[in-house]
Amino acid sequence: AQTVTQSQPEMSVQEAETVTLSCTYDTSESNYYLFWYKQPPSRQMILVIRQEAYKQQNATENRFSVNFQKAAKSFSLKISDSQLGDTAMYFCAFQFTGNQFYFGTGTSLTVIP
Amino acid sequence: GAVVSQHPSRVICKSGTSVKIECRSLDFQATTMFWYRQFPKQSLMLMATSNEGSKATYEQGVEKDKFLINHASLTLSTLTVTSAHPEDSSFYICSANRDISYEQYFGPGTRLTVT
Repeated sequence: AQTVTQSQPEMSVQEAETVTLSCTYDTSESNYYLFWYKQPPSRQMILVIRQEAYKQQNATENRFSVNFQKAAKSFSLKISDSQLGDTAMYFCAFQFTGNQFYFGTGTSLTVIP
Repeated sequence: GAVVSQHPSRVICKSGTSVKIECRSLDFQATTMFWYRQFPKQSLMLMATSNEGSKATYEQGVEKDKFLINHASLTLSTLTVTSAHPEDSSFYICSANRDISYEQYFGPGTRLTVT
């Protein structure tokens, strides 16, 4: 069975600072994809970043980057230069062939002005 | 591109009635659509996987006779909550897979309130 764990229910960060959100997963699959989604108060799910498991290089999207440790089954999200608009729920998600997503329980991030 | 819409965005219905929620992929064909349910401050829970032209696959614990899913075309899937009860009140989100892509595109969600 696939499981995704986010051990930080809530986090806060000062504006312009850096914050890291943790995610671990458990799977016996070798080919899969990992995602971080953001859900602001509007509830619209927004893709932040994705990582293919076969790629060793960590994905980066502007201020967002991941630390993907395949052996440790860890997939953390680093947000640099935090902005007020980053305040949201963040969900880590795992997907393998078959397209089904498995979501973590989420981390509520608050950026403090 | 890759926009998914949901209609309605909010709906209030009386207990015992049925309500239909539509999920449309506006600019791509979606062979697979997914329906999720999300309670306040909780994660998305997959309810069912909907494939065009075939029966939906329901997750364990989801009543298929209560949550009817139809995927009649490559751009439309519907979720009908039959004989709704207050405990069915929730936020329902659909997503769609673009053909040959692993990425899912999410709709904006539908807030259902059963009184």
